Amino acid sequence: DIVMTQGALPNPVPSGESASITCQSSKSLLHSNGKTYLNWYLQRPGQSPQLLIYWMSTRASGVSDRFSGSGSGTDFTLKISSVEAEDVGVYYCQQFLEYPLTFGSGTKLEIK
Amino acid sequence: QVQLKETGPGLVQPTQTLSITCTVSGFSLTSYYMQWVRQTPGKGLEWMGFIRSGGSTEYNSEFKSRLSISRDTSKNQVFLKMNSLKTEDTGVYYCARDRKGVMDAWGQGASVTVSS
Repeated sequence: DIVMTQGALPNPVPSGESASITCQSSKSLLHSNGKTYLNWYLQRPGQSPQLLIYWMSTRASGVSDRFSGSGSGTDFTLKISSVEAEDVGVYYCQQFLEYPLTFGSGTKLEIK
Repeated sequence: QVQLKETGPGLVQPTQTLSITCTVSGFSLTSYYMQWVRQTPGKGLEWMGFIRSGGSTEYNSEFKSRLSISRDTSKNQVFLKMNSLKTEDTGVYYCARDRKGVMDAWGQGASVTVSS
């Protein structure tokens, strides 16, 4: 199974500052078709996960352009520019290159 | 408007069978795969399995021997059944609409406690 490892944030992050969340996969998620099979989700307190980014860098419908995804085949970053109170929650990366689909353990974002 | 809602028993005794229904609206089950994902204190988010738009299924080998996913397209419902429950199965069970591995809509989740 592909293992997804996420880094921690130096919480709390001051409001208006940027935050970068890292994720690493145990296998390259870059497919021969040129696409990278990596998603990002946000789980706000008391809510279900919601899709933020797919194909490593494509924002889901309705997601603020303050969120951006980047990376290589095995190392990925979700950047939030100018964090706001509504960004509080746990962020998860997930690979969909192969089954079983696997998730990272999550990165918690707190705002000061 | 796309909506998904899980309904389940809340409390299940060890060794018993868990049954959860996911009722969807705003899209057709014959056009999308439907995933089941659970979130437990011990393992976080875990992919359990899915049912394809055509009705065939795939399961995580972690659950394969005790998990079953089915659907009733006339009622817009997807079903999860898992037997031989253990206390470690306590958690929140989510159904999610899938676009080739991208889960773009999730239900609110069904909280399940396995306890005698």
